[in-house]
Amino acid sequence: ETGVTQTPRHLVMGMTNKKSLKCEQHLGHNAMYWYKQSAKKPLELMFVYNFKEQTENNSVPSRFSPECPNSSHLFLHLHTLQPEDSALYLCASSLGSGQNNEQFFGPGTRLTVL
Amino acid sequence: QQQVKQSPQSLIVQKGGISIINCAYENTAFDYFPWYQQFPGKGPALLIAIRPDVSEKKEGRFTISFNKSAKQFSLHIMDSQPGDSATYFCAAEQGGSEKLVFGKGTKLTVNP
Repeated sequence: ETGVTQTPRHLVMGMTNKKSLKCEQHLGHNAMYWYKQSAKKPLELMFVYNFKEQTENNSVPSRFSPECPNSSHLFLHLHTLQPEDSALYLCASSLGSGQNNEQFFGPGTRLTVL
Repeated sequence: QQQVKQSPQSLIVQKGGISIINCAYENTAFDYFPWYQQFPGKGPALLIAIRPDVSEKKEGRFTISFNKSAKQFSLHIMDSQPGDSATYFCAAEQGGSEKLVFGKGTKLTVNP
């Protein structure tokens, strides 16, 4: 596989469930990101990891918990979500050297919270 | 507070026409302005980007025009094709922060 992959592509969960989204990049990048994409709203940056260290938490509720075990993998653990959390969750990666590098996006996970 | 304002929200153009999407920003510390293209079921992909030291950048049929004094930049798609039908996002980044701020997106439809 090349580029940025995300699994699952679709997820339906109840408000009491716990689930995880997975992202993997095969580009040798050092920075990884989680974004939330909702209809009629700008892409919202949620978290940034640089060299496995979290460098940004954009005031995201604690029901979203990121994990970056290495530079190639990024997880988003979900628990007790709300219906308004339904959205497309996008993962991206970049070189991460602070040089306005291009961000490469995965196809996203379409999350529906019932 | 929306840091990057994008218009129009949707745009319909005939094949061969020119598509123009506009963005405006407030933060003068922004120094990198990319445009991303997103097809249904796909993540956004970088289309073209510009830095404020130039007023225009052209790549094939795609051109960014940048007006630093007005804090505005726009994407022009010449000879628009049905395959260009997608959602386009402008974005801005400050000083290598790796934190892109996106506009709300413009859904472009190019009719055959």
